[in-house]
Amino acid sequence: SQQGEEDPQALSIQEGENATMNCSYKTSINNLQWYRQNSGRGLVHLILIRSNEREKHSGRLRVTLDTSKKSSSLLITASRAADTASYFCATDGKGRRALTFGSGTRLQVQP
Amino acid sequence: EAGVTQSPTHLIKTRGQQATLRCSPISGHTSVYWYQQALGLGLQFLLWYDEGEERNRGNFPPRFSGRQFPNYSSELNVNALELEDSALYLCASSSGYGGYNEQFFGPGTRLTVL
Repeated sequence: SQQGEEDPQALSIQEGENATMNCSYKTSINNLQWYRQNSGRGLVHLILIRSNEREKHSGRLRVTLDTSKKSSSLLITASRAADTASYFCATDGKGRRALTFGSGTRLQVQP
Repeated sequence: EAGVTQSPTHLIKTRGQQATLRCSPISGHTSVYWYQQALGLGLQFLLWYDEGEERNRGNFPPRFSGRQFPNYSSELNVNALELEDSALYLCASSSGYGGYNEQFFGPGTRLTVL
């Protein structure tokens, strides 16, 4: 079963704009990770944020985590056409190392 | 450093046959996870191997099985294939230490059951 939901399910923006995707989860977590998937291929690891962290940056990516609301957001700044992909959040927890995935957000960046 | 590799890329089988999928983790990683991504069902956890032992399995029937070899590579076997087993099968590896549990995925094996 899916741990959580992501919204929006689909997002279409213009190149250069920022894209924000949200993820909610149901149970307490140790870590939350974000992944990118291009056209049914493998998942590319983007960033991991631990439950005791509130914000993390990596290049054009900014991830926030609010454990009180059981939610996370992924911000991609200055988007490029190459960012077009599906984005998934995934969580693990105490005694649960296998990842539970959200339903994903399909991002389309128009050139 | 080489990433996670999987073989074959594509596999076509008929209903009732058996499928074997292979995964080689990142060097130094001892944990291997298998996930299924079926259309409309999202990404679901199948099996977790660490140090040669099955540590946990998801909500899948026993005809999904596997093993981990001494070099930490892993094999997923699916017996008595059914049409709904058609999916992308993803393998991930992690170092298995500490609390980070970063999992890195391979390119996947696309299994089609006819």
